[in-house]
Amino acid sequence: KAGVTQTPRYLIKTRGQQVTLSCSPISGHRSVSWYQQTPGQGLQFLFEYFSETQRNKGNFPGRFSGRQFSNSRSEMNVSTLELGDSALYLCASRAGQPASGQFFGPGTRLTVL
Amino acid sequence: AQRVTQPEKLLSVFKGAPVELKCNYSYSGSPELFWYVQYSRQRLQLLLRHISRESIKGFTADLNKGETSFHLKKPFAQEEDSAMYYCALKANAGGTSYGKLTFGQGTILTVHP
Repeated sequence: KAGVTQTPRYLIKTRGQQVTLSCSPISGHRSVSWYQQTPGQGLQFLFEYFSETQRNKGNFPGRFSGRQFSNSRSEMNVSTLELGDSALYLCASRAGQPASGQFFGPGTRLTVL
Repeated sequence: AQRVTQPEKLLSVFKGAPVELKCNYSYSGSPELFWYVQYSRQRLQLLLRHISRESIKGFTADLNKGETSFHLKKPFAQEEDSAMYYCALKANAGGTSYGKLTFGQGTILTVHP
C-alpha cells in the first residue's frame, strides 16, 4: 500500500496570509490526525478526524482548523499566519482499530516570513 | 492530562553495547504506549506498541505500570540504530480509542563504531 502523502512539501508564506495543507491517508484508513512539530515544543497534537467528523482537538487557537472528505483525505487550514506558526506539520493515518499504530506522512514544512 | 517524559535528550553508546532509552509517563487511566523512530531524512515510523509485546529490530519495551515507565532496550546496539526516538502515549477515554498521541521530547541516539 502507498504510504501517507502530504502536499505541498514546502511552503513559504507571509504574516497575515492563510494556508491550506493536504493529507492523503493510507488506503482503507479512516482516521487522520494532524501534528505540529517545532524545535521548542516538539510534537503537538492538533486534531483528529474520523469519518468526516472531528473527534479530538488539541490546545491550538481557532485559527487552526481542518476537515475530512468522504474519501478520508484531509486538509488543515491556518488563517492569519503568525511567525510562530513556522513548523513541520505532520499528518498521520490509522486504521481505526483499538491500539492500532499511526502511520506518518513526510510532513509539510511551513515557513512564515 | 497526560504527560510523557524522556529525560535524555542525547544518548551515545558504542556498537555492541547495550542501550536503554528511558520513558516515563503520567496518566491516571490505562494508557497505550508506543515507541516511534525517525532515521535521518526519513519520516516518523512506528517501532513498537506495548500491547503487541513484540521485538522489532532487536528492541523491546515493557510497560511498568508501577513505575509508570516504558523504557526501550536493546542488548547490542548497531550503528544503524542511530536515530531520534520518541515515546508516545495514547489515552483510553472511556474505552474509546481516539487518535491523539502525546509525545515525549525525543532522544537522539548515536551509536559509535
